[in-house]
Amino acid sequence: DAEITQSPRHKITETGRQVTLACHQTWNHNNMFWYRQDLGHGLRLIHYSYGVQDTNKGEVSDGYSVSRSNTEDLPLTLESAASSQTSVYFCASSEMVTGSQHNTGELFFGEGSRLTVL
Amino acid sequence: AQSVTQPDIHITVSEGASLELRCNYSYGATPYLFWYVQSPGQGLQLLLKYFSGDTLVQGIKGFEAEFKRSQSSFNLRKPSVHWSDAAEYFCAVGETDKLIFGTGTRLQVFP
Repeated sequence: DAEITQSPRHKITETGRQVTLACHQTWNHNNMFWYRQDLGHGLRLIHYSYGVQDTNKGEVSDGYSVSRSNTEDLPLTLESAASSQTSVYFCASSEMVTGSQHNTGELFFGEGSRLTVL
Repeated sequence: AQSVTQPDIHITVSEGASLELRCNYSYGATPYLFWYVQSPGQGLQLLLKYFSGDTLVQGIKGFEAEFKRSQSSFNLRKPSVHWSDAAEYFCAVGETDKLIFGTGTRLQVFP
């Protein structure tokens, strides 16, 4: 069965360190997304990609970067981790919708990565 | 900017009671609308979605939602809640190229 997997599921790091969260999907979806989930804020979009070599900033992109070198993977990098980046991170993917004003349909989510920055 | 409002942060119901979770959105054109459920420690699972057509949408686990354009609402309903429905529920609106989520409603179910 197709799926989307995130690793690591839990990570503790120190302020200033570089951290990379992996996301791998076998749906063969063009669209991939990274969200962070915080109490009182719901899910906020960090970065997203419509395909290989395409990346776009979301509403909370400062301090984060992504790269898309193939269809299956969208790693999220925190260049210099800060305590404010302690959160649960979710990766998601979706098909490209055609023939509509919308490019993105239903999202399929990974199980999340809990990051603690001390 | 597009937005989604879930006015109820926390709702408590008794098992067997009916449920309605509210969702209001702001979007200029015809929206794509979604309801997702998140169990503790898990990712989000799609309950139902509205793209077009019939404004009453049926989903999994006995849930339904009604799109009301005049009220900019997409409320989620279930006639009889089960203890296993306790979870966090998120409404989302599809912008042109991404989904915008509400802040969620936590549902607690008492026996």
